[in-house]
Amino acid sequence: AQKVTQAQTEISVVEKEDVTLDCVYETRDTTYYLFWYKQPPSGELVFLIRRNSFDEQNEISGRYSWNFQKSTSSFNFTITASQVVDSAVYFCALSEPLGGADGLTFGKGTHLIIQP
Amino acid sequence: DTEVTQTPKHLVMGMTNKKSLKCEQHMGHRAMYWYKQKAKKPPELMFVYSYEKLSINESVPSRFSPECPNSSLLNLHLHALQPEDSALYLCASSLQNSPLHFGNGTRLTVT
Repeated sequence: AQKVTQAQTEISVVEKEDVTLDCVYETRDTTYYLFWYKQPPSGELVFLIRRNSFDEQNEISGRYSWNFQKSTSSFNFTITASQVVDSAVYFCALSEPLGGADGLTFGKGTHLIIQP
Repeated sequence: DTEVTQTPKHLVMGMTNKKSLKCEQHMGHRAMYWYKQKAKKPPELMFVYSYEKLSINESVPSRFSPECPNSSLLNLHLHALQPEDSALYLCASSLQNSPLHFGNGTRLTVT
């Protein structure tokens, strides 16, 4: 069975601080994808990044960066110089093949609060 | 703007009502999904359609009835719901092995 653990339920930082959201996963599949989604108060789930299990290169996109380490089954997400607009719930997710489609197993989410 | 459109945005219904949630995408995605999300919880998968055929039903009660009339549309028919069914219902679509694109959701309240 697949599992995604986001141990941090809520994180609160002051604007411009750096913050890292942790994600640990379990799967028996050798090929899989990991994702991060952002859910602002409006409710929409916004796709941020996808990583496949064979690509352990870290990725940077503006103020966002991701650290994928297969050895520790972790896929952590760092926001540099945080801004109030970054406040949201962030979900880490693991893909699962489902009858020709691909569903997602989500972690419980981390509620990130950026204070001005 | 999301490319997956869900209507209505909000819905209040009584336990004896029949209503439908609608989802539409024009990205050519052949997989479509319904997820249910309770407050402060992650989304939970309900149904998956692949090439307009129901491929996954995650033991969802029969008071929820999905329908995929064509490759762009996905409906969720609701009948005799319970107050505990109140939640955000999210539709998503994807190409195979590609990220899911989610709609804004329908916030459902059952009274």
